[in-house]
Amino acid sequence: SQQGEEDPQALSIQEGENATMNCSYKTSINNLQWYRQNSGRGLVHLILIRSNEREKHSGRLRVTLDTSKKSSSLLITASRAADTASYFCATGGNMLTFGGGTRLMVKP
Amino acid sequence: DVKVTQSSRYLVKRTGEKVFLECVQDMDHENMFWYRQDPGLGLRLIYFSYDVKMKEKGDIPEGYSVSREKKERFSLILESASTNQTSMYLCASSPSLGTNEQFFGPGTRLTVL
Repeated sequence: SQQGEEDPQALSIQEGENATMNCSYKTSINNLQWYRQNSGRGLVHLILIRSNEREKHSGRLRVTLDTSKKSSSLLITASRAADTASYFCATGGNMLTFGGGTRLMVKP
Repeated sequence: DVKVTQSSRYLVKRTGEKVFLECVQDMDHENMFWYRQDPGLGLRLIYFSYDVKMKEKGDIPEGYSVSREKKERFSLILESASTNQTSMYLCASSPSLGTNEQFFGPGTRLTVL
């Protein structure tokens, strides 16, 4: 069973717009991670947020974590066509459990 | 730079063949993982190894085995490939200390005919 569930499953936006993806999880966590996967490739780690953090930034990425609601969001600001990819949240210890992912398409 | 490599990007095999998928990491990581990824099902963990010669079953180990004879190499074996094992296979590694960030290989797209 999947610990994390992303929402929406698919998102299509124009270049320059912001993209927001959400992740819900079921059990308590130490941290939550976000990964990106370009079509047909492996996953790439984007950002990790610890359970005692509420918000974290990395370049155009902003991640929030609400442990009371067991949810996280990933915001990509000023999106580019190169941001087109699938985005996954993941929780767990040594063995991560990944959500089903959000497929983001950024149209030029 | 951190690197995880997989032996093949694309592989086509016939039903009943024995298939070896190889994964090598150059980061001296203790943990290594094999996942399969299917549309609508996300990533599912097949096997996990936390040390040489050690292995743990993941969520879907049936029909697979693994081998970890050296720290840097983790092999996934399909003893008798079946069409329902057609999938994208992803290998990953992570250190046992520090964050649990996983580093992924590029994936092997296996087709079993």
